Amino acid sequence: DTAVSQTPKYLVTQMGNDKSIKCEQNLGHDTMYWYKQDSKKFLKIMFSYNNKELIINETVPNRFSPKSPDKAHLNLHINSLELGDSAVYFCASSQEKESPSSGNTIYFGEGSWLTVV
Amino acid sequence: AQKITQTQPGMFVQEKEAVTLDCTYDTSDQSYGLFWYKQPSSGEMIFLIYQGSYDEQNATEGRYSLNFQKARKSANLVISASQLGDSAMYFCAMREGWRYGNKLVFGAGTILRVKS
Repeated sequence: DTAVSQTPKYLVTQMGNDKSIKCEQNLGHDTMYWYKQDSKKFLKIMFSYNNKELIINETVPNRFSPKSPDKAHLNLHINSLELGDSAVYFCASSQEKESPSSGNTIYFGEGSWLTVV
Repeated sequence: AQKITQTQPGMFVQEKEAVTLDCTYDTSDQSYGLFWYKQPSSGEMIFLIYQGSYDEQNATEGRYSLNFQKARKSANLVISASQLGDSAMYFCAMREGWRYGNKLVFGAGTILRVKS
């Protein structure tokens, strides 16, 4: 069973459309994330949720809206898609502990390749 | 300032030899975690190894070891006995505390090519 699964894996869509990427984790983790990897392979966090509560919202356009119906799911909805939104979007999860030096590894999904044309 | 610096955009290594991928980090926190991930051409992010800031011994996982030098703020990845399948992009990442949202911050990555 895949620990962190995202769908769809590939998505080609036109500018101006609205699309969603779904993410589910079966690791029992309480924290989930969305990361964006740009064309230069740079990875940057977009959002994180802990027990369905938004923890991190990096300077992401408000066209991007995450939704966490429960702690095993974190979906990403994107409105009015633009060419610059083309990227690979990674979902990830971890079990949060009090200290970042306590070994709470973040596990990633396989990525969703979004191409806006 | 960059939180994570990987100074080697690309590296070559001969099959069966060892290779070191450099990573330096910047933090004023005492408690943090350091990670290495591998991203093959297929695109997935594979967790390799972790080092906590209070761990006194260097982390090891099979052929991977992390050369942790806290005073120098470096966390280099050492891959022993390189294999062709090790060809990939390698990312160093750091995690600080809750005041930073407990997020992973990544370096720019190093592309490793293993030659036969």
